[in-house]
Amino acid sequence: EAQVTQNPRYLITVTGKKLTVTCSQNMNHEYMSWYRQDPGLGLRQIYYSMNVEATDKGDVPEGYKVSRKEKRNFPLILESPSPNQTSLYFCASRPHAGGNTGELFFGEGSRLTVL
Amino acid sequence: AQSVTQPDIHITVSEGASLELRCNYSYGATPYLFWYVQSPGQGLQLLLKYFSGDTLVQGIKGFEAEFKRSQSSFNLRKPSVHWSDAAEYFCAVSWRSNDYKLSFGAGTTVTVRA
Repeated sequence: EAQVTQNPRYLITVTGKKLTVTCSQNMNHEYMSWYRQDPGLGLRQIYYSMNVEATDKGDVPEGYKVSRKEKRNFPLILESPSPNQTSLYFCASRPHAGGNTGELFFGEGSRLTVL
Repeated sequence: AQSVTQPDIHITVSEGASLELRCNYSYGATPYLFWYVQSPGQGLQLLLKYFSGDTLVQGIKGFEAEFKRSQSSFNLRKPSVHWSDAAEYFCAVSWRSNDYKLSFGAGTTVTVRA
């Protein structure tokens, strides 16, 4: 089954404790992206990747890191989480970096709480 | 800069009544338009999309949307709402000039009353 898989789905952590949210897609998509969803703000892009070893900042990249060493994986790293990073996070992918429409395929979401 | 506006934060509708959710976008170039739905505790599901051609598009779950270029709008409609339509709805837009980055509206929460 074609899908985007995120882990963990739920996580409660404390300020400053490094964490990684993994994202993997099995559709051979070049483009991958991370969004965060907050009430009243919709989804905002954190980082995106056009292809392996090609990552770039989205609209709200502060406090986050990403890497793209393999085509299928795009982990989101919070080096020192803070309470304002409490949010619902979505990983998404699409087939091409360009010549596309932008339609994204989303994971199930990861709800993160930072105390 | 490109932006997507959903003017209604929350809509309450009776079961069986019609529903219309508004979406407006800024920027002059031809956009690609999407509506996603997020049921409570779930991820995002694509309802429908518009790329070109007929400006009235049909989607899943009985939803349709109409693209009106003159109004920069892409409103979502359903003739008769079911209790299972209670969810949050997001309008999203991408532009070729922005590498097809998908930009989202703030969302509209739909409550269905019996």
